[in-house]
Amino acid sequence: QSALTQPASLSGSPGQSITISCIGSSSDVGAYNYVSWYRQHPGKAPQLMIYDVSNRPSGISNRFSGSKSGNTASLTISGLQAEDEADYYCSSYTSSSHYVFGTGTAVIVL
Amino acid sequence: EVQLVESGGGLVKPGGSLRLSCVASGFTFSTYRMVWVRQAPGKGLEWVSSINSRSTSTYYVDSLEGRFTMSRDNAKNSLYLQMNSLRVDDTAIYYCAREVRLGWFDPWGQGTLVTVSS
Repeated sequence: QSALTQPASLSGSPGQSITISCIGSSSDVGAYNYVSWYRQHPGKAPQLMIYDVSNRPSGISNRFSGSKSGNTASLTISGLQAEDEADYYCSSYTSSSHYVFGTGTAVIVL
Repeated sequence: EVQLVESGGGLVKPGGSLRLSCVASGFTFSTYRMVWVRQAPGKGLEWVSSINSRSTSTYYVDSLEGRFTMSRDNAKNSLYLQMNSLRVDDTAIYYCAREVRLGWFDPWGQGTLVTVSS
């Protein structure tokens, strides 16, 4: 099972919006709506940001939104803030009852 | 507060064994599936294994080749990962996490570092 493909890094100025793509296949992202997104600050554990493609857990800002089209999922961060600078990972359940993570995207706030 | 605390990491020689533990608190551990996820230094996240609530089903990433065994003790609110025949490329921070529902993990523990080196 190959990792899902994400851009290595994305940058934006405060207040701007960025979108992180997560490209999978018909055996994972395209097969189920079990796509989630995690944010990881340096030296910290990952934190759930989005589940089931587009749902936000309690306490997560509505500046974070998720979507999916075919084999590609996306995470959009609106109104970029300094605290959003971190690594972001997508994850998907797979047809073999496993999980696969994305390659990770470093978000840089200019 | 829902919390997961890992322990058992350390330095081990190639070919050696290590057993990781994860103690859960703040929720009914026995009703949730659990997972282990690892992260090699400077690298991304990699799902390692999953176990259902009653230990009747376990799943592992293919690359492990049968070297790791995941288990749990619901009476002790504890999760385990027995790692045998360790290789240098098993060096990573190992996180346990609760699978709230199929597809998502929350919360995650703080992680425990496993270093495989001669």
